[in-house]
Parts: sequence; C-alpha cells; structure tokens
Amino acid sequence: DAGVIQSPRHEVTEMGQEVTLRCKPISGHNSLFWYRQTMMRGLELLIYFNNNVPIDDSGMPEDRFSAKMPNASFSTLKIQPSEPRDSAVYFCASSPENTEAFFGQGTRLTVV
Amino acid sequence: GIQVEQSPPDLILQEGANSTLRCNFSDSVNNLQWFHQNPWGQLINLFYIPSGTKQNGRLSATTVATERYSLLYISSSQTTDSGVYFCAVTNAGKSTFGDGTTLTVKP
Repeated sequence: DAGVIQSPRHEVTEMGQEVTLRCKPISGHNSLFWYRQTMMRGLELLIYFNNNVPIDDSGMPEDRFSAKMPNASFSTLKIQPSEPRDSAVYFCASSPENTEAFFGQGTRLTVV
Repeated sequence: GIQVEQSPPDLILQEGANSTLRCNFSDSVNNLQWFHQNPWGQLINLFYIPSGTKQNGRLSATTVATERYSLLYISSSQTTDSGVYFCAVTNAGKSTFGDGTTLTVKP
C-alpha cells in the first residue's frame, strides 16, 4: 500500500479564498483523522471519522472549517474563508479500528 | 481532556550515546504511540505500545499503563536520530499528542 496520501503537498492562497485539502486513507482502514500542527499549539486533533461517520469534531476551530468523508477512500478538509492564522501543516492519518495510526506527509498551508 | 507531558523538552547528545525519553499521561488510555518527526516533517511510526515492552533495533519502548507513563529508549544514537519525538495517546477515541522532545545528535 502507498500509505496515506494527501494533496496538495503545499498550498499558498490569499486570505478569503476557499481551501480544500484531500486525503486518501490506507485501504481497509476504517478510522480517519485530521490534525493541524503549528509551532504555538503543536499537533491538534481536528476531527475523526469512523466508518465514514464523523465521531468527534470538537477540535474543529471554527465554522469556517468543515470536513467530509463521502466514502471509505476519500476525505476532504475545507476552510472557507481562509485566514492567515490558518497557516499550518495539516495531517491526515488513518488506522484500522482506531488502533495504530499512520500519517500522510501533510499539506503545508500558507494563507497570505 | 487528557494531559500528556513529555520530558525532557530538548536533548543534545553526542553520537553513540544512549537516552531515555519519557511520556506521562493523566488518565487511562486505550492506545499509545511513539512517533519520530524527521527534519522534513514526516511523522514516522516507531511503536504502537498501549502496554508492555517492544524493541526494534536500537530503539525500545515500555509502557506501564497502570502508572500512566511510557519510556522510549534510544541506544547508540546516530545523527539520523535527530528530530522531534512525539508520544500520542488515545482515550475514548480521541487522540492527544504531547509537545515532543527535540533530539539533536552531534557527530
């Protein structure tokens, strides 16, 4: 398996624009997680899905953030409208039955 | 929520030295993982260790769940071991990362 695949690897966008981050989990994994990493706050869990259903989105910072998982092989994290303080590295991870998690390479987002 | 404390926050070693990194957590956990974040930002799985002891080459880890801590041992450190080591715990389905230990191994 190619592992967790995230796209794009880097994204630079202007404040106010919509940003969509994508994730393909490892085949057969039924848990999917979105994390954000910043210098100030470290690695934070934003939301996680189990069997494509959002279980806990308490880490989503604001209504500007939304996440979907339309099927077992794809998830998106959307920020609309984006702000400079959203600049961070966003990681997606997947695991079988919420056990050992494997991370993608991350998307480095810069909002100018 | 659960608190995860890692120590030390920073560690500088000479190549060949051994080290022990610690992770304390404030509540019972279902899962515990150790990761290495390399200088390119990749999070690499080291151990999935909710309890017990595991070894993988120069690295080993021990989790004592009843006492709410885990230890990561690095022996004969190499410059490629440099980076940030994270402990992550899962409680009731929710994962929490510690702030990490930044390791620098000097040649």
